[in-house]
Amino acid sequence: RKEVEQDPGPFNVPEGATVAFNCTYSNSASQSFFWYRQDCRKEPKLLMSVYSSGNEDGRFTAQLNRASQYISLLIRDSKLSDSATYLCVVGQYNDMRFGAGTRLTVKP
Amino acid sequence: DVKVTQSSRYLVKRTGEKVFLECVQDMDHENMFWYRQDPGLGLRLIYFSYDVKMKEKGDIPEGYSVSREKKERFSLILESASTNQTSMYLCASTGLPSSGELFFGEGSRLTVL
Repeated sequence: RKEVEQDPGPFNVPEGATVAFNCTYSNSASQSFFWYRQDCRKEPKLLMSVYSSGNEDGRFTAQLNRASQYISLLIRDSKLSDSATYLCVVGQYNDMRFGAGTRLTVKP
Repeated sequence: DVKVTQSSRYLVKRTGEKVFLECVQDMDHENMFWYRQDPGLGLRLIYFSYDVKMKEKGDIPEGYSVSREKKERFSLILESASTNQTSMYLCASTGLPSSGELFFGEGSRLTVL
């Protein structure tokens, strides 16, 4: 079993749709949780951290469920520019584990 | 802004060649990492370094070595390249105290023929 698992997608949604990604992790000692965004042929960049109480940044909402060991990312009112691969990252300090990524395509 | 620079965006090498991948960061970060990224497998950690001349093995160190002679520079070395090392290589850095955010270079796409 992989340490961090994501649905690879692809998710193809129309503009304006709401889309949600989940990510499960196996190490219950994990302390840090993030979502990264990776555009085609580019490096990953931090989208947002995920906090225990959940957090929101504009159209993006991240949630953490420690009991079930998963994190989620909700994107509301999808834009064409949201098309990318979203990477779930879980771990602690120097031991960060990456999911394989979920590919999202937002279509006009 | 943090800048992590990888020396080569694209390389094509032959089996058995020695390959050097260079990474330089300009934010005085203590920690530097080398990952490889393959379709369906995500990013896998090869080596990391938390200080000059210090290095730690990641999940897949076999076939690789690293060098950190200066704080800003972390090099990945393939002593004898093989076709299964064809991949995208990503360097990253993070500072102390660490928020956990990794700053990545643009990547080096290596093809071994």
